[in-house]
Amino acid sequence: KAGVTQTPRYLIKTRGQQVTLSCSPISGHRSVSWYQQTPGQGLQFLFEYFSETQRNKGNFPGRFSGRQFSNSRSEMNVSTLELGDSALYLCASSLEPGQAAGELFFGEGSRLTVL
Amino acid sequence: GQNIDQPTEMTATEGAIVQINCTYQTSGFNGLFWYQQHAGEAPTFLSYNVLDGLEEKGRFSSFLSRSKGYSYLLLKELQMKDSASYLCAVRRSNYQLIWGAGTKLIIKP
Repeated sequence: KAGVTQTPRYLIKTRGQQVTLSCSPISGHRSVSWYQQTPGQGLQFLFEYFSETQRNKGNFPGRFSGRQFSNSRSEMNVSTLELGDSALYLCASSLEPGQAAGELFFGEGSRLTVL
Repeated sequence: GQNIDQPTEMTATEGAIVQINCTYQTSGFNGLFWYQQHAGEAPTFLSYNVLDGLEEKGRFSSFLSRSKGYSYLLLKELQMKDSASYLCAVRRSNYQLIWGAGTKLIIKP
């Protein structure tokens, strides 16, 4: 079966712009989590969605937001981009609710560069 | 606070054995995961430990000591394709995952 699909894979933005990233989970998975990954730091949890509801949120400013649709696809949005937002944004899906109720299946990520 | 420590980088020789350590301090514990991430690729699940002891899966084994806040990932018969980053993650009682920064493993012929 198809894995987790993230689009776009690469994008370049400038400071002050906004960006929307998309994630399609594995078919049948209803839980989607988002992470930010930067060199030298562990995965930083952004938020988790299950059945269109945000279940958990990490310690990121309000510029970072997300949502989940009825087909379990999820989007995250970052507004007023800053240089420090340059990172790999990873999406992970799982069968069960709760951020780590089971094994997470990751997409290959969207690499955002902010100039 | 929540803290997970693992070495930044390790080097090993093809065919050898390497042990990647992970120490953690978290409020509440509900399991420890190891993931493998090749450069430019998605992290993939390797192992899960919730009870003390060793879990073996082929060439890879993972060990956990909850009283010491310590885990290790043991890779045997190293192959060049094992060159990757290895991520340790602890699941807290509230099911939040705390991730280490990852250990970059370099395999030399």
